[in-house]
Amino acid sequence: EVQLVESGGGLVQPGGSLRLSCAASGFTFSSYWMSWVRQAPGKGLEWVANIKQDGSEKYYVDSVKGRFTISRDNAKNSLYLQMNSLRAEDTAVYYCARGPFWFDPWGQGTLVTVSS
Amino acid sequence: QSALTQPASVSGSPGQSITISCTGTSSDVGGYNYVSWYQQHPGKAPKLMIYDVSNRPSGVSNRFSGSKSGNTASLTISGLQAEDEADYYCSSYTSSSTLAVFGGGTKLTVL
Repeated sequence: EVQLVESGGGLVQPGGSLRLSCAASGFTFSSYWMSWVRQAPGKGLEWVANIKQDGSEKYYVDSVKGRFTISRDNAKNSLYLQMNSLRAEDTAVYYCARGPFWFDPWGQGTLVTVSS
Repeated sequence: QSALTQPASVSGSPGQSITISCTGTSSDVGGYNYVSWYQQHPGKAPKLMIYDVSNRPSGVSNRFSGSKSGNTASLTISGLQAEDEADYYCSSYTSSSTLAVFGGGTKLTVL
């Protein structure tokens, strides 16, 4: 069964940092682009970042450029999102998803709350 | 980056058909056949329903179909069922620096 499981969310103060992880199983992780997509409470989906199979290409939504870094470890079948200088507007459920610009499957999501 | 434009809500009665539109530009929807659609029930992760404009993943009902004309893509659900009540999002490849963009979402109510 193809599965994605996120972890690492939680409550963090404005200006703080958090690292999200996504463990992949059931498919050849190293063969796929991977993405992070977020959803603020009561709002729509927002694509955040994606990364090529070998990590050589990375793309970000403008609002997180310079603050977030996407990475992967193909040996560990894992995707990461390092989030620095967090702001209140980064509060959201963060989903890990397989694919560059269409996404299937999705993980269950991990909630990040930025608040003092 | 501007999100793709979807109607905020649509509704229909059981058995009817509805269509949700997704309007972009020639830099995304109109320029490439990489439009996808997602269904999201409350508290759940999104589920891929259509990819590459009109392709259905294995396991998705053939009541769901996709199409595109110019800068507007559409998702049609025929034979509406109560379980179809959910939020629906479109997404597209974009030639901007980001690669992907979502629509704002459409809430489907089955009356």
